[in-house]
This record gives sequence, C-alpha cells and structure tokens, in this order.
Amino acid sequence: GEDVEQSLFLSVREGDSSVINCTYTDSSSTYLYWYKQEPGAGLQLLTYIFSNMDMKQDQRLTVLLNKKDKHLSLRIADTQTGDSAIYFCAGVVHSGGYQKVTFGIGTKLQVIP
Amino acid sequence: DVKVTQSSRYLVKRTGEKVFLECVQDMDHENMFWYRQDPGLGLRLIYFSYDVKMKEKGDIPEGYSVSREKKERFSLILESASTNQTSMYLCASSARGQINSPLHFGNGTRLTVT
Repeated sequence: GEDVEQSLFLSVREGDSSVINCTYTDSSSTYLYWYKQEPGAGLQLLTYIFSNMDMKQDQRLTVLLNKKDKHLSLRIADTQTGDSAIYFCAGVVHSGGYQKVTFGIGTKLQVIP
Repeated sequence: DVKVTQSSRYLVKRTGEKVFLECVQDMDHENMFWYRQDPGLGLRLIYFSYDVKMKEKGDIPEGYSVSREKKERFSLILESASTNQTSMYLCASSARGQINSPLHFGNGTRLTVT
C-alpha cells in the first residue's frame, strides 16, 4: 500500500516562507491533498493537486509536485501566526471503484512572532 | 459547504463501558470514515462505509464496531472501552464516483477512558 512520509516539526519566523515536504510511494496516486489541523479541531482541506500537474498556486499557498521523485511540497508565503497548525499530506489511490486515502503523520508548523 | 458534525467534543468513560460516537453529514455523501489520531502515529483508519448498512474494516478495527443505518449517520461503537482507546476520534465523509473527492472532517471527539 501507499506510504506517505513527512517531517514532524518546522519552525519559522512570522513573515518568512514555510516549506513543508512530503514523500509518497504509490505512483498511481491520482490526487494529493494538503490538510490543516488547528489545535482541538478536525482536519480542514487546504488545497490539492492532480497527479498530472507540476504546480498549483492558491493565494499564499504553492504546491509543487515532482512525480519522478514522488515528492510533494507546500509553500506558505508570508507565514502568519494563524498558520501555526499541523499540516497533513495525503495521497489518494483509486482501486476497485473505491478510493483509498493515506495520510502522512503530520508536520507541526510553529510560527514565531 | 459540507458539514460533518460529531455529537460530542469531549467524552470521559470508564473501562468496560459501551461507548457510542455519532457522526452526521449533510451533503448526501455515500462514503463515511472513522479515524483515530494519536501523537506520533498520525491518522489511522478504523472503519469505513460506502453505502447504507455496509461497512469495511480499516487498518485498526479491533475493539470497534460501526453502524450505518441511514446515509447521513455513521456511528462508531466501543463495545467495552479500554484505556488504550483513549484518543481523538475523527469522522469524515466524501462523495463517491468522483475522481477528486476529498475527505471532509468533523471537529473530532476527544475520548478519555479511565
């Protein structure tokens, strides 16, 4: 099955860019998602990228996908204290009419004022 | 917007009690999921359902059961709660039949078993 790996922790200063990295193993992943979890809350879908794309930009968020290396990154420009959260990368594989979603362990982003 | 509602934010139960965690979604989604989230382990899939009265085991089903009597409601049942089931439980739903169908999550239920 799919494995999705992320680093556990990232600390950045307010106003800097944050880059959160993720690697996955299943090259048949059709979509890759980024979710954000604020303290005490559920996961909120941030953005996604289709597997035939290299890049997707959405306001302060840029997602880069390197299919050859199976590497996904999320860049947050001008990081704010409100961006402090846990960020999960997730890969989706379609099999037998069903979708199987595999989550990474989550990267905790700490933004220092 | 999709709304997934979990009935309780916090629950405290005693060892051996039967525990029901309820989840309701309002977007007519076919698929519903139960995950548990533990520090250092990320999200682990307990059970999922692709239709009414249908259930499939996820990666860690032991000690749990589920019920899907209506399309909008998916219940997680701990038949006899144990301390190692202390965790954050997350319910999610998604539409079927679409290539891009992200999971939509509830706010979670933090269960403590004493």
